[in-house]
Amino acid sequence: DAGVIQSPRHEVTEMGQEVTLRCKPISGHNSLFWYRQTMMRGLELLIYFNNNVPIDDSGMPEDRFSAKMPNASFSTLKIQPSEPRDSAVYFCASSLNGNTQYFGPGTRLTVL
Amino acid sequence: DAKTTQPPSMDCAEGRAANLPCNHSTISGNEYVYWYRQIHSQGPQYIIHGLKNNETNEMASLIITEDRKSSTLILPHATLRDTAVYYCIVMNTGNQFYFGTGTSLTVIP
Repeated sequence: DAGVIQSPRHEVTEMGQEVTLRCKPISGHNSLFWYRQTMMRGLELLIYFNNNVPIDDSGMPEDRFSAKMPNASFSTLKIQPSEPRDSAVYFCASSLNGNTQYFGPGTRLTVL
Repeated sequence: DAKTTQPPSMDCAEGRAANLPCNHSTISGNEYVYWYRQIHSQGPQYIIHGLKNNETNEMASLIITEDRKSSTLILPHATLRDTAVYYCIVMNTGNQFYFGTGTSLTVIP
């Protein structure tokens, strides 16, 4: 299995631009999680899906952030408009029935 | 979910066993203990998990005390590649992980 796939691996953008991060979970997994990691706040859960349905989005910082999971093999995290404080590493993870989570390599986002 | 307490940092000599402690005194009966590690700039990597019994796999051993209020992750023969931040997490099946600050393990040549 290829594991969790994230793209892009690095993204540099200017403040105000829209940013879309992508995630392909491990085939057969039915739970998907988006995390953000910064030096100040560590690893934070933003949102998670179960069977493509968002279950808990209480970690999403504000309305500028949105996440979708149109099917079992694809999810996006969108930031519009982006701000410098959104600079972080964003991780996607997947699991089967909420058990052991397997993480992708992350997307390093820099907003100038 | 129960919160965990870990020492912020530890050193270990290469080739020796690394014993990483974790306190989870408020753990409830159906919560699992999970260990992950994160090598710089990479995604967290699953190591091992357990409920009550001690567990061993190709990476490590997990020792859980009888009252389940603490556990120890053992890397039997630490190598330089084991230098990472190690996270101890307790979780109900289906619930979210809470990643604390972890233990930064440095393996010294």
